[in-house]
Amino acid sequence: EIVLTQSPDFLSVTPKEKVTITCRASQTVGTSLHWYQQKPGQSPSLLIKYSSQSISGVPSRFSGSGSGTDFTLTINGLEAEDVAAYYCHQSSSLPVTFGGGTKLEI
Amino acid sequence: EVHLVQSGGGLVQPGGSLRLSCAASGFTFGSYWMSWVRQTPGRGLEWVANIKKDGSEKYYAGSVKGRFTISRDNAQNSLYLEMNSLRVEDTAVYYCVRMFYYFEYWGQGTLVAVSS
Repeated sequence: EIVLTQSPDFLSVTPKEKVTITCRASQTVGTSLHWYQQKPGQSPSLLIKYSSQSISGVPSRFSGSGSGTDFTLTINGLEAEDVAAYYCHQSSSLPVTFGGGTKLEI
Repeated sequence: EVHLVQSGGGLVQPGGSLRLSCAASGFTFGSYWMSWVRQTPGRGLEWVANIKKDGSEKYYAGSVKGRFTISRDNAQNSLYLEMNSLRVEDTAVYYCVRMFYYFEYWGQGTLVAVSS
């Protein structure tokens, strides 16, 4: 099973700052790494697919990068509505797995 | 617009059974793989099971294999999860998810609580 390790677990943020969340895989997943956002009380929603591909309707301030075992989610110019938990997910091999999550707090 | 509306869930005793349902609309249900994913405060997000478009292939997480059964009815645009021999550790919010290789659209979630 591929283990995904996210860091940090928690992040205290301020509006307009640049936020970087990392996800490290225990073995290579190529670019089969996806990111989700979960706002309080809501279901997760797809944010970035295949490491860096954007999703229709997702603000352009969200971007992703990486391949192999190291990945990054970047929020350029954080907005208050971005306060949420963020999860990475690998679909390279079964069982698919998720990172433990990064919770942003203002 | 894609909608996944879940029903079922609730409180059940250890060893008991429960069936979750998911009604899909806004897309051609039979053209997509579907999944169940669960979430707990302690273990985070955990994939439970996948089912192929026509139901001919099914895959399960090791923690539920032999106890849970995923199924679908494409004529009724519905996805199901039959859960047997439930354990305390199966307590979670369960999500119905439309998938490609990533989890595209999520249902609203339904709480399954296993407790005596």
